[in-house]
Amino acid sequence: QVRLVQSGSELKNPGASVKVSCEASGYTFTKNSMNWVRQAPGQGPEWMGWINTDTGNPTYVQSFRGRFVFSLDPSVSTAYLQISSLEPEDTAVYYCARGAYRGGDYYFFDYWGQGTLVTVSS
Amino acid sequence: DIVMTQSPDSLAVSLGERATINCKSSQNLLFNSNNKNYLAWYQQKPGQPPKLLIYWASTRESGVPDRFSGSGSGTDFALTISSLQAEDVAVYYCQQYYTTPLFGQGTKLEIK
Repeated sequence: QVRLVQSGSELKNPGASVKVSCEASGYTFTKNSMNWVRQAPGQGPEWMGWINTDTGNPTYVQSFRGRFVFSLDPSVSTAYLQISSLEPEDTAVYYCARGAYRGGDYYFFDYWGQGTLVTVSS
Repeated sequence: DIVMTQSPDSLAVSLGERATINCKSSQNLLFNSNNKNYLAWYQQKPGQPPKLLIYWASTRESGVPDRFSGSGSGTDFALTISSLQAEDVAVYYCQQYYTTPLFGQGTKLEIK
């Protein structure tokens, strides 16, 4: 069965960096896009962008360009989200989510990781 | 930019009764070349990630109970739960994928 397993919660000081991992299993890793979604406390999900798991090419929503980096290690079927220069406003649950393939690649999400809570506080 | 607006923000329904959640897009989500509406629905329970229920506005994801149904086209859509069960208590989100994916603000569904 398809599973996306993310790394554990993180508590970071402002200005630090964090790297969240998302290990996929149960399907061919390079067949589906991997997306990242942020959910701030009490808010709805917000799509951050996606990474092409075949080429490694990332695409970012405008508001997530600069401090946010998507990367891959296909050899271990794992995607990563790195956030640098953390700010208190980055406090949120970050999800990886598999892009659906329904005869083509579409940007809805059929499997999700369990989420990683990143808390930024001094 | 497309704006997705759900209504109501919260809803209380008795067990066994029908629940309907609405989602309105500021732009048409019907792609003419394939006649599909690029609209999905998710269910999110506390402490869990969102779960895909419906895509193409009305196609139920595998394993989703048939009491969940999606309807609508163009700019106006609805998610209906035909007979509310206790396990359906959750926040429900619509999401358009016609352009940059965007979620609605969510509708909290509770038992009356």
